[in-house]
Amino acid sequence: AQSVTQPDIHITVSEGASLELRCNYSYGATPYLFWYVQSPGQGLQLLLKYFSGDTLVQGIKGFEAEFKRSQSSFNLRKPSVHWSDAAEYFCAVGEAGGFKTIFGAGTRLFVKA
Amino acid sequence: DGGITQSPKYLFRKEGQNVTLSCEQNLNHDAMYWYRQDPGQGLRLIYYSQIVNDFQKGDIAEGYSVSREKKESFPLTVTSAQKNPTAFYLCASSIGSSLNTEAFFGQGTRLTVV
Repeated sequence: AQSVTQPDIHITVSEGASLELRCNYSYGATPYLFWYVQSPGQGLQLLLKYFSGDTLVQGIKGFEAEFKRSQSSFNLRKPSVHWSDAAEYFCAVGEAGGFKTIFGAGTRLFVKA
Repeated sequence: DGGITQSPKYLFRKEGQNVTLSCEQNLNHDAMYWYRQDPGQGLRLIYYSQIVNDFQKGDIAEGYSVSREKKESFPLTVTSAQKNPTAFYLCASSIGSSLNTEAFFGQGTRLTVV
C-alpha cells in the first residue's frame, strides 16, 4: 500500500539558514510526488510536483526538491529561509492514473530571527 | 478571480445535528474532493467526484454524505452518525479525473461540535 512518511513533526531554523524537509514514500511503481504548504487556518498551496524527467524539481517561493528512487525519498530544500516560510509542509504521493493522493502527516516549520 | 470557496469558515454544531459544508469552484474543474484534517494526521480523503452526478467514497466516508448536482458545487454533509466530527475540512479540485495534476484547495471550514 502507498504511504508517505515525514519523519520530522517540527523543525526550527534560523532566518537565512538553509532548510531540508524529509519525505519518504512507499509505492510500487513510479510515483507522482508533491509538496504542499499550509499557513495556519488556510488551505494548501502546491509548491512543486514531480511526475517524470529531471529528478531535481524547482518550485515556487525558491523551493526545490530532489527525487531519489534508490532512497524512496523526495526531500524539499531551500537555500535561505525567510520568516514568511513558517508554515506546515506536506509531502504527498499519488498513483499514476489514479484518484487518490496520500498525504504525509506534515512537518511544521518554525523560523527564528 | 478563479478559485475554490468554502463556507462558512467556522461552524458550530450541536451533537445529533446534521450540518452541510459548502464548496464552490469557478475553475471549470471536473474533479472535486473533500478531505478531513486532524492534528498530526495529515489529510484523509472523505469523498471525491470525477463528474457531475457521480462520486466515490474515500478512506473515511462513514458518517458523511455528498452530492454533485452541478459541476461547480460539491457540498459535504456531516451527519449525526459521524462519531467524531470536530475537525478542519478541506475541499479541493483538479483539472482531470485524478489528483495527479495540480490540486487547488479552498480555505477550509473548521467544524466544532458543542
